[in-house]
Amino acid sequence: EDQVTQSPEALRLQEGESSSLNCSYTVSGLRGLFWYRQDPGKGPEFLFTLYSAGEEKEKERLKATLTKKESFLHITAPKPEDSATYLCAGDNTDKLIFGTGTRLQVFP
Amino acid sequence: GAVVSQHPSRVICKSGTSVKIECRSLDFQATTMFWYRQFPKQSLMLMATSNEGSKATYEQGVEKDKFLINHASLTLSTLTVTSAHPEDSSFYICSARDVLQSSYNEQFFGPGTRLTVL
Repeated sequence: EDQVTQSPEALRLQEGESSSLNCSYTVSGLRGLFWYRQDPGKGPEFLFTLYSAGEEKEKERLKATLTKKESFLHITAPKPEDSATYLCAGDNTDKLIFGTGTRLQVFP
Repeated sequence: GAVVSQHPSRVICKSGTSVKIECRSLDFQATTMFWYRQFPKQSLMLMATSNEGSKATYEQGVEKDKFLINHASLTLSTLTVTSAHPEDSSFYICSARDVLQSSYNEQFFGPGTRLTVL
């Protein structure tokens, strides 16, 4: 069965304290690994798509990486506005399989 | 680009009534649209996939007679929750994909609709 697991469930960081979020996946015929940001009461906002192991993508303070078994979302020197839930999802061709997310809080 | 809207953003209804939620792709043609449900502090659960002009494909455990999906045009899909009950209260989110632009499952999400059934 296709599955995506994210850790930790919640993460509290002080402003400027870098860290990484993990997304482990077992998705048959993975065609892409997606990262989304979701603010409370809103729909997910697209961040990155990674298609092959070794690929990296960056956007401002975020960098996503992909291996054959997991993906990491690295947050460098986070700011309070980076507080949100970060979701990853694996594409098995038919649909996206979502993880349960990591709730990130960055406090000043 | 790739903007998806939903209407209404929030709805409160009485038990037993039906509620319709609209999902529109504003600047692209959505050949496929997806409907998700999200409970508090949980992830998105796919309810159904709809392709323009054809019947929706429902995920296991989702009642197709209760959650009616219509994808009549390339920019509009609707979800009707029939005879709603309090347990249907949730956050409903749609997403859209343009298969003509990408063969990958890149989906763009709407802002969601908060349904509360009293």
